[in-house]
Amino acid sequence: NAGVTQTPKFRILKIGQSMTLQCAQDMNHNYMYWYRQDPGMGLKLIYYSVGAGITDKGEVPNGYNVSRSTTEDFPLRLELAAPSQTSVYFCASSYMNTEAFFGQGTRLTVV
Amino acid sequence: DAKTTQPPSMDCAEGRAANLPCNHSTISGNEYVYWYRQIHSQGPQYIIHGLKNNETNEMASLIITEDRKSSTLILPHATLRDTAVYYCIVPGGSNYKLTFGKGTLLTVNP
Repeated sequence: NAGVTQTPKFRILKIGQSMTLQCAQDMNHNYMYWYRQDPGMGLKLIYYSVGAGITDKGEVPNGYNVSRSTTEDFPLRLELAAPSQTSVYFCASSYMNTEAFFGQGTRLTVV
Repeated sequence: DAKTTQPPSMDCAEGRAANLPCNHSTISGNEYVYWYRQIHSQGPQYIIHGLKNNETNEMASLIITEDRKSSTLILPHATLRDTAVYYCIVPGGSNYKLTFGKGTLLTVNP
């Protein structure tokens, strides 16, 4: 098992560009989450999904979009990147009310 | 989600037990208490969770009060590698939305 895999690990984006952060899990988990963590701050939930085809907003969804077409994948789309989206992004997955597994993060810088 | 309250920071001497408190007075009967930690800038790591009874695993023990309004995470023999931010979470509702508060920064000192 690879667990939760995030790609890329690092990315520098110019203002106004778009990109997709990839997240894949091989544990057949139904729940998946995206978080962002700004320097020195806690994790903020962006979007989450309770199963394929079902997504819902978290605490800070503006500027992001998600889709969940398969159980394994939960990509996060940034449209029109802004400096305020400079952050570390974490993806996580879990099976209902059990422990959540986190990826190693994607460090995104928007310049 | 039930709101949780944790002290912002705590210190512990290496080799001693670290006791991290969490208040969750609005918890409902079927909600679990989860503990995670985040070491520096790594992804958070699951530690333990419980509903009513005390729980123990290879990492820690979780003591939940009888009224379930508070809990304590115990690291029995803290090491320098246990220095991290510890989060107490009560994911509520049918959607199990997992949100993190500010947590407690535990610093283990030599």
